[in-house]
Amino acid sequence: EDQVTQSPEALRLQEGESSSLNCSYTVSGLRGLFWYRQDPGKGPEFLFTLYSAGEEKEKERLKATLTKKESFLHITAPKPEDSATYLCAVQVSKAAGNKLTFGGGTRVLVKP
Amino acid sequence: NAGVTQTPKFQVLKTGQSMTLQCAQDMNHEYMSWYRQDPGMGLRLIHYSVGAGITDQGEVPNGYNVSRSTTEDFPLRLELAAPSQTSVYFCASSQRRLANYGYTFGSGTRLTVV
Repeated sequence: EDQVTQSPEALRLQEGESSSLNCSYTVSGLRGLFWYRQDPGKGPEFLFTLYSAGEEKEKERLKATLTKKESFLHITAPKPEDSATYLCAVQVSKAAGNKLTFGGGTRVLVKP
Repeated sequence: NAGVTQTPKFQVLKTGQSMTLQCAQDMNHEYMSWYRQDPGMGLRLIHYSVGAGITDQGEVPNGYNVSRSTTEDFPLRLELAAPSQTSVYFCASSQRRLANYGYTFGSGTRLTVV
């Protein structure tokens, strides 16, 4: 069974305090790993897609990396506007219909 | 561009009532999906569609029905609502290849069944 586990469940940071979120996965064959940001009361918003081990992608203060078993989302010098829930999801090779399996998310709070 | 539009935003149902959650997208996306989001459980796939007239079950399909008569619309029907269906429901759409754009999600419908 495909599984995605995110840690920690919640993270409190001071503004400027860099940190990393973890997404570990067990799947039969990875087609892609996706990161989303979700603000309260809104739908998830797409951030990155990673396809192969060693791949990295950046957007502003966010950097996502991928290994064969896990992905990290690094937040560098975060600002209060980076406060959100970050979701990780995997698309497995044999899944039809662009199905994604999501992790439980990490709630990030950045205090000024 | 409206993207993915879901209605209603909030709904309270009594046990046993029926209702339809509406979802429409204006991006000409082939693929559409319904997910539910519950605390501590992440997003779980209910049903999905790869094109007009084609639907299939996801991870948690029981108690829900879908249809896809047009590319734009993908309504989710609850026939006999139960308290276990209290959740936030998200509709999402994508191009055939998720690639660098992923899913586009709607803003959600918060459903409470009492």
